[in-house]
Amino acid sequence: GDSVTQMEGPVTLSEEAFLTINCTYTATGYPSLFWYVQYPGEGLQLLLKATKADDKGSNKGFEATYRKETTSFHLEKGSVQVSDSAVYFCALGANTDKLIFGTGTRLQVFP
Amino acid sequence: EAGVAQSPRYKIIEKRQSVAFWCNPISGHATLYWYQQILGQGPKLLIQFQNNGVVDDSQLPKDRFSAERLKGVDSTLKIQPAKLEDSAVYLCASRAPLDTQYFGPGTRLTVL
Repeated sequence: GDSVTQMEGPVTLSEEAFLTINCTYTATGYPSLFWYVQYPGEGLQLLLKATKADDKGSNKGFEATYRKETTSFHLEKGSVQVSDSAVYFCALGANTDKLIFGTGTRLQVFP
Repeated sequence: EAGVAQSPRYKIIEKRQSVAFWCNPISGHATLYWYQQILGQGPKLLIQFQNNGVVDDSQLPKDRFSAERLKGVDSTLKIQPAKLEDSAVYLCASRAPLDTQYFGPGTRLTVL
């Protein structure tokens, strides 16, 4: 069945460092891909999305490109801030429009 | 615009007790979802409603979990009786047609 695999965390970075969180997927058909973020004590928030191959989603300095050839949707940010500390979830939107999530990657950014 | 509302935010119960969670979706959103998020895992869909009808409940443990959305707006998820492994955060989400899912803050359930 459809699935999402994320790199394990925690990812620990200094402020202004470059961030990559890897995400690969297995799916039949052509799903939409998403990154959600969960700040401490809060619910899941959509960070960005891409609906077809080669689309690039971007928001708040984060970017991810839908790579069909490598079945990947890696999250990147050029310069992280302490306020980016959170758990990041990669997800795919299946045919029935339900979301299938990865296990999440905790990001910790230190000053 | 108000977001998805959930209550209670936290609940602690003994095993074999019953518990119910409430969700009020964003106004006008016909599609409503309940997810279970066990610590250290990603959310897993339990049930999906379209208005007051069930679209997908294939992963709902129907021997102990039930959910309803009688008037196509608010929804209630119930567990009876609870087991230790039901300890998790229960997330409600809603969606308008052709839009993405918006999540509530969740209810953290601890079963002792």
